[in-house]
Amino acid sequence: GAGVSQSPRYKVTKRGQDVALRCDPISGHVSLYWYRQALGQGPEFLTYFNYEAQQDKSGLPNDRFSAERPEGSISTLTIQRTEQRDSAMYRCASSLETGGGYTFGSGTRLTVV
Amino acid sequence: QQPVQSPQAVILREGEDAVINCSSSKALYSVHWYRQKHGEAPVFLMILLKGGEQKGHDKISASFNEKKQQSSLYLTASQLSYSGTYFCGTEENFGNEKLTFGTGTRLTIIP
Repeated sequence: GAGVSQSPRYKVTKRGQDVALRCDPISGHVSLYWYRQALGQGPEFLTYFNYEAQQDKSGLPNDRFSAERPEGSISTLTIQRTEQRDSAMYRCASSLETGGGYTFGSGTRLTVV
Repeated sequence: QQPVQSPQAVILREGEDAVINCSSSKALYSVHWYRQKHGEAPVFLMILLKGGEQKGHDKISASFNEKKQQSSLYLTASQLSYSGTYFCGTEENFGNEKLTFGTGTRLTIIP
């Protein structure tokens, strides 16, 4: 596609429910990244993939968070048993090559009530 | 620990110049710069690799001093469209692609 597409744009969920956030990167982009951004702050690293391989998941807060990119294209970030502190803007980004500039998606605004 | 940016915020009149600094406590391989407008995604501006190369396009340029672990973004003859929050993102090692984003600098350009 022309840009990085994320869905849904907004997600309101009840505490304890599982959510799945989807990212469709720019076609042909090797690297895919997940970040979380609080209002007024810079993005905070969660995890990233080169092709289908998860290279670094050191930023995932705890084992309720997981991510996959099974075919090296679309990625899903899953949060199990959501808590209010998980509320944030979740941003996906992709880059054409290792270490290249990122193209960010519009994000998914997650609200846990 | 995230890189520290200075100033935190700055207001300029159209046509004035600005410098935004990014300072890390860690050795760096590269520095990225992004601009984010309110309610939008961050947009990539440029990347500087270890080697001290200065880069630029149009009236926006940047430098990277890896010995001092610092980078600076230079905005010349600022335009209204330059308004937004600027973030540096630092990469510590080649091949370790995750970026640690800085504290941000909010730039407001007024007519």
